[in-house]
Amino acid sequence: EIVLTQSPATLSLSPGEGATLSCRVSQSVSGYLAWYQQKPGQAPRLLIYDVSNRANGIPTRFSGGRSGADFTLTISSLEPEDFAVYHCQQRNNWPPEYSFGQGTRLEIK
Amino acid sequence: EVQLVQSGAEVKEPGESLKISCKGSGYSFSSYWIVWVRQRPGKGLEWMGVISPGDSYIKYSPSFQGHVTISADRSISTAYLQWSSLQASDTAIYYCARLGDGYDYSLDFWGQGTLVTVSS
Repeated sequence: EIVLTQSPATLSLSPGEGATLSCRVSQSVSGYLAWYQQKPGQAPRLLIYDVSNRANGIPTRFSGGRSGADFTLTISSLEPEDFAVYHCQQRNNWPPEYSFGQGTRLEIK
Repeated sequence: EVQLVQSGAEVKEPGESLKISCKGSGYSFSSYWIVWVRQRPGKGLEWMGVISPGDSYIKYSPSFQGHVTISADRSISTAYLQWSSLQASDTAIYYCARLGDGYDYSLDFWGQGTLVTVSS
């Protein structure tokens, strides 16, 4: 079973600051790593797919990267609407199976 | 416009059965796989299983195998998640989501979620 560990659990920052969220994967995986944003009372929204590709309509301040088993979501300059919970998700090859991290809460400092 | 519309909130007692739904519109329902995802209160997302509405292929997460049943009726563009005997630990929000082939099968559209509360 592939385990995704997100860190930190909570990140407290101010608007205008940059944010880096991490997701470590327990086993070597392909590039099928995605990030989702979830606001209170809402369903998750796809931000990044295949490690570093932004979904339609996602602002350029969101970017994804990878170094070995460590994946990152970077928000270059936080806007008020960016404070939310972020989930990473991995998919195996095919037929698809999915695993999620436990989430990182990005809160206003 | 692609939409996944889920059935409304449910309150059930332990041991009762339940079937919730997820209706797709704005796209060819049979052509896109659907997943179900659980989110317990204040917790993260958990993948439950996936279905291909076109041929009814189904794969369950080992964590949910035998406890839930996933199905679909492509004639009415609807996927289902059902329980034969609910437990208090099933209290959660359940989401359906579509595998987006334009996004390498990441989950591009989500239903609004169905809150299931199991309490005596």
